[in-house]
Amino acid sequence: GAVVSQHPSWVICKSGTSVKIECRSLDFQATTMFWYRQFPKQSLMLMATSNEGSKATYEQGVEKDKFLINHASLTLSTLTVTSAHPEDSSFYICSAPGQSYGYTFGSGTRLTVV
Amino acid sequence: GENVEQHPSTLSVQEGDSAVIKCTYSDSASNYFPWYKQELGKGPQLIIDIRSNVGEKKDQRIAVTLNKTAKHFSLHITETQPEDSAVYFCAASERRYSTLTFGKGTMLLVSP
Repeated sequence: GAVVSQHPSWVICKSGTSVKIECRSLDFQATTMFWYRQFPKQSLMLMATSNEGSKATYEQGVEKDKFLINHASLTLSTLTVTSAHPEDSSFYICSAPGQSYGYTFGSGTRLTVV
Repeated sequence: GENVEQHPSTLSVQEGDSAVIKCTYSDSASNYFPWYKQELGKGPQLIIDIRSNVGEKKDQRIAVTLNKTAKHFSLHITETQPEDSAVYFCAASERRYSTLTFGKGTMLLVSP
């Protein structure tokens, strides 16, 4: 079935630095990928929709310059958290539509900014 | 836009009992309704889904029912086991490649 690989699974970074999270579709092509943010004990909040070969579509309230999304190929989308601050600490998850109607999620990335 | 309400927020059952989680949605254009199981520190995993042209779908101990007129759908887990303990999310979307709108989640605890 459709598999989405997300790396790293966890990362700790210092305030002011940037962190890149990768999301790869392993056995299918994904022209669209979705990036979510999840706070503890809360639901998934859609941050942006990543489109291969074009600009990402950001949800209202999400800073485009802080959360840079690149979808350079049909199997890879990246989310870069720039100039990270402690309030950016969260669980970030990517997702891609598979062959059928289903959406496959990555395993998530726990970001801690110290 | 779409709004998905999910109840209950927490559910405790004894092993072997059944568990039911209910969701309602607001957008009549939604036609795809997946359920996800999320274990601590992991990404959501699809456990079952249903499209609007079907009223019920079953996969072993898990079933989903959909009432499109009333705009609600439910997850039914029978013969619950401790490994069923997790957070369950319902979601809705209008079409393929459109965004999913999630419910707030239900923490299911199955006690041995």
